[in-house]
Amino acid sequence: AQSVTQPDIHITVSEGASLELRCNYSYGATPYLFWYVQSPGQGLQLLLKYFSGDTLVQGIKGFEAEFKRSQSSFNLRKPSVHWSDAAEYFCAVGARTGANNLFFGTGTRLTVIP
Amino acid sequence: EAGVTQFPSHSVIEKGQTVTLRCDPISGHDNLYWYRRVMGKEIKFLLHFVKESKQDESGMPNNRFLAERTGGTYSTLKVQPAELEDSGVYFCASSQDPPWAGGSLNAEAFFGQGTRLTVV
Repeated sequence: AQSVTQPDIHITVSEGASLELRCNYSYGATPYLFWYVQSPGQGLQLLLKYFSGDTLVQGIKGFEAEFKRSQSSFNLRKPSVHWSDAAEYFCAVGARTGANNLFFGTGTRLTVIP
Repeated sequence: EAGVTQFPSHSVIEKGQTVTLRCDPISGHDNLYWYRRVMGKEIKFLLHFVKESKQDESGMPNNRFLAERTGGTYSTLKVQPAELEDSGVYFCASSQDPPWAGGSLNAEAFFGQGTRLTVV
C-alpha cells in the first residue's frame, strides 16, 4: 500500500538557519513526488515536484528537494530560513499511471524564531 | 486569474444536521478533486471529477457523503447527516490535465484554502 511518512510533526528553527524536512514514502514503483506548503489562511501551494531526471529539484521560495531512490526519501531543504517560511509542509506522492489521487504525509509544522 | 475558491471557510454544525461545501475550480480546469484532513492526520483523497463525471470516488468514506458537479463547473460536497468524525478540513483542488500526465505543466493541482468543518 502507498504511504508517506513525515516523521517530524513540529520543527523549530532560528531565522537564518538551515532547514531539512524529512519525507519517506512506500510505493510500488517510482512515484511522482511533491512538496506542498500551507501558510495560515491559505490553500496548499506547490513548492516543487519530481517526475524524472535530475534527482535534485529546485522549487519556489528557495527550496530544494533531493530524491533518493535507495532510501525512498524526498527530503526538503532550504539553506537559510526566513520568518515567512513558518507554515505547515506536506510531502505527497502520486502514481505515474492511472490513479487519480495524491497520497499525503501527516505534515510538518515549521516554527521560525527570531 | 482567480484560484480555487471554497465556501464557507468555516462551518460549525450539530451532529445529525446537513452541511454543503462548495468548490469553484479555476476556470477551464476539467479535473476537480476533493480531499479531507482529519485533525493531526494526513490529507486523504475523497474523489475526482472529470468535467461533470465522477472519475474515481474510492475515497468517499460512506454514503452520507454526496458530491456533485453539475455542468462541470463548481462542485458541492454534502454531508447528510453529519457525524462527529466528519470534522476536519475539506480541500478542493483542480487541474487542467489529469494527475498521471505528470510531465505536463497542466497536471499541477491547485488547492483551495479549505473548509474547516466542526461537528458538535
